[in-house]
Amino acid sequence: AQSVTQLDSQVPVFEEAPVELRCNYSSSVSVYLFWYVQYPNQGLQLLLKYLSGSTLVESINGFEAEFNKSQTSFHLRKPSVHISDTAEYFCAVQFEGSQGNLIFGKGTKLSVKP
Amino acid sequence: SQTIHQWPATLVQPVGSPLSLECTVEGTSNPNLYWYRQAAGRGLQLLFYSVGIGQISSEVPQNLSASRPQDRQFILSSKKLLLSDSGFYLCAWKGGLAGVGETQYFGPGTRLLVL
Repeated sequence: AQSVTQLDSQVPVFEEAPVELRCNYSSSVSVYLFWYVQYPNQGLQLLLKYLSGSTLVESINGFEAEFNKSQTSFHLRKPSVHISDTAEYFCAVQFEGSQGNLIFGKGTKLSVKP
Repeated sequence: SQTIHQWPATLVQPVGSPLSLECTVEGTSNPNLYWYRQAAGRGLQLLFYSVGIGQISSEVPQNLSASRPQDRQFILSSKKLLLSDSGFYLCAWKGGLAGVGETQYFGPGTRLLVL
């Protein structure tokens, strides 16, 4: 079965510390991978995505994610977080042959403390 | 550039009342349109999607319905709201002619509280 798992529902970290938000998927077909960010009471914004090519993708605000096919993972990382990174992060997967629909993980709430 | 609008932003409705949420997209033609619901601790649940006017696909059985009367308008409705319909409703669009791998863009959302 095709599924997306975000194991951590909440991740508290201190400002300037590194963070990793985990995402794993299950699929027997090719996948396209996305990370979205949601700030309080707002819609979702695309953070980064992997379609093909280099397995390491970066966002403009310092986040990066690496596609690991053997481990079926697409973990999101940032070497030094800011207070403004406090938000909920959703991993999403588009499975080949799915008409382009996204399957979302349940989200990880990142809380950055001073 | 493309923009997506949702209204109302917030809605408080009594149980058993009707519902109509509207989503419109500007700056694109023939988009794929989506309705999601976000409930506390449950992530995003795809409710409906549409690939064209009058074409609606339902992902989950429920007392909600969707309609697409115009190319860039997507409406979510209910005849009688339940307490369990409370949540944050998000509309999204994607280029209709695009293949897989294309990004979905989300609206600002409507927060619905059913009392």
